[in-house]
Amino acid sequence: EVQLVQSGGGLVNPGGSLRLSCVVSGLSFRTTWMSWVRQAPGKGLEWVGRIKSNTDGGTADYPTPVKGRFIVSRDDSKNTLYLQMDSLKTEDTAVYYCTPEGGVDWHGYFDNWGPGILVTVSS
Amino acid sequence: DIQMTQSPSTVSASVGDRVTITCRASQSISSWLAWYQQKPGKGPKLLIQRASSLQSGVPSRFSGSGSGTEFTLTISSLQPDDSATYYCQQYNSYRGFGGGTKVEIK
Repeated sequence: EVQLVQSGGGLVNPGGSLRLSCVVSGLSFRTTWMSWVRQAPGKGLEWVGRIKSNTDGGTADYPTPVKGRFIVSRDDSKNTLYLQMDSLKTEDTAVYYCTPEGGVDWHGYFDNWGPGILVTVSS
Repeated sequence: DIQMTQSPSTVSASVGDRVTITCRASQSISSWLAWYQQKPGKGPKLLIQRASSLQSGVPSRFSGSGSGTEFTLTISSLQPDDSATYYCQQYNSYRGFGGGTKVEIK
């Protein structure tokens, strides 16, 4: 069974920074592409970044709303995924989910979701 | 970025009805589309990937079809447990979600 244990959420001032962590078990983390997805209160799902496995290059990609402010990284020795969030805005307030990407020949769907963690950006 | 548009935003139907949700992509995404079900206070649940492949354990009343830019999720006979919000998601280029469709039971 895949388990995703997230930490690091909380209340932060606008302009501040926060780092989320996600410890993953129950799958081969080293070979798994990982994404972060968020959901603002009462709103839909929004993808905020993805990192490939290091065996596939280890590069990360982001959508326009967070590019230059968010960084996704991974530590395969700790089975841990990170999301560094800088220059936070009130519109970044959301529940953040880490999720492994499914697919063998083509990655990209999300077949395991954790409980998520709340990030609130407010003064 | 590829834009995903779902319709309708809300659908109200009776138990036993056939429900169809549409998802349109702003450019071709081949068959790289997934569908999710989300209930209040819970994380999403994957229903279908690669446009029409039903995940293990998902009831057969759910089906997906389409390719290119137009896709559909069909619930053949709506059940009370299907009350939820449904999202499509493309993974042809980066990733992106549709705005969601809330399914209500009359």
